[in-house]
Amino acid sequence: AQSVAQPEDQVNVAEGNPLTVKCTYSVSGNPYLFWYVQYPNRGLQFLLKYITGDNLVKGSYGFEAEFNKSQTSFHLKKPSALVSDSALYFCAVEGNTGKLIFGQGTTLQVKP
Amino acid sequence: DGGITQSPKYLFRKEGQNVTLSCEQNLNHDAMYWYRQDPGQGLRLIYYSQIVNDFQKGDIAEGYSVSREKKESFPLTVTSAQKNPTAFYLCASHFAGPPAYYGNTIYFGEGSWLTVV
Repeated sequence: AQSVAQPEDQVNVAEGNPLTVKCTYSVSGNPYLFWYVQYPNRGLQFLLKYITGDNLVKGSYGFEAEFNKSQTSFHLKKPSALVSDSALYFCAVEGNTGKLIFGQGTTLQVKP
Repeated sequence: DGGITQSPKYLFRKEGQNVTLSCEQNLNHDAMYWYRQDPGQGLRLIYYSQIVNDFQKGDIAEGYSVSREKKESFPLTVTSAQKNPTAFYLCASHFAGPPAYYGNTIYFGEGSWLTVV
């Protein structure tokens, strides 16, 4: 079965430090992977996607993600965290029925 | 402006009562979805519709019903059969095609909180 996992419920980083939010996936065939961000009481907003090509994908708000096929991972990264980056982050993969399958989400807390 | 609108933002349901959450989009999107969000469980798909007058069950459809009589509208009814309806509900929409194409153009509503009282 196709699935995506976010092993950390919460990630805490200090402002200005690099951040990583982890995501691993399980799919048959080539994976289509996505990251979304959700602020409190709001809908999800698209950050970036990997379809094919360069393993390092750049997205909105200075975020990037690295696709690693051998490790079946698609970790979200940012070189220097901002307090305003604090939110809930979702990794998603395209399922075999053509719909998005979401991970359980990781809360990012950036402290001043 | 184009967008997707959910209403109400907050809704309270009494035991044994059916309630309906509204989702309207003016983006001319073909597909519409309803997700349920519980803490620590991410988004779970309730129902989805890819064309008017057609819809399919998602992973947790029991206790819910939908209709898609118009392209722009996809209301969700939470019936009394749903024993634990307290959650945050998200509606989403996108143009036809696989996520590889729509994944960056899927729109989410602002969500609706449903609480049983």
